Amino acid sequence: DIQMTQSPPSLSASLGDKVTITCQASQNINKYIAWYQQKPGKAPRQLIRYTSTLVSGTPSRFSGSGSGRDYSFSISNVESEDIASYYCLQYDNLNTFGAGTKLELK
Amino acid sequence: AVQLVESGGGLVQPGKSLKLSCSASGFTFSSYGMHWIRQAPGKGLDWVAYISSSSGTVYADAVKERFTISRDNAKNTLYLQLNSLKSEDTAIYYCARSSNNYPGGYWGQGVMVTVSS
Repeated sequence: DIQMTQSPPSLSASLGDKVTITCQASQNINKYIAWYQQKPGKAPRQLIRYTSTLVSGTPSRFSGSGSGRDYSFSISNVESEDIASYYCLQYDNLNTFGAGTKLELK
Repeated sequence: AVQLVESGGGLVQPGKSLKLSCSASGFTFSSYGMHWIRQAPGKGLDWVAYISSSSGTVYADAVKERFTISRDNAKNTLYLQLNSLKSEDTAIYYCARSSNNYPGGYWGQGVMVTVSS
């Protein structure tokens, strides 16, 4: 099974900051990674598919990149509505989520 | 609009069984694969199982042999049969419509399963 190592577990940012979250797969996942946002008490919301493609409705301040085993997700100009937990998901071989990153306001 | 509504959760004793349902509307259910994902209290997301539009199934190792995913296209309903439940199965269980073999943009609101004596 493919393992996803997501870091950091938590992140503290000020409004307007740029933040970056990384996910490393235990093997090459051929860019088959998606990113989700989850707010407390809510179902996850998909933001990005296939490494860097923003799904409909995702603001342009969100971005993704990477290849092989290493991937990153960034939010430029953090807004208050971005305070949430974020998860990566590999879908190259079955599905595996990363452990998540909790984004908080500094 | 696409809607997914889970039901069937509750409190169950260790070793017992429970069957979750996910009622789908707003799309051609039979044309889509479907997933179950769970989230233990205060923890991260954990992919559980997938069923294709042709009813092929795959499972996470942690639930293989204990959980069974199925679907009834006539009823537009997805199911998850949970057997031999353990305390570590306590979680919110979400159903999600598949997009290229992963949970896409449509998720239910989740249903809570608590395994405790």
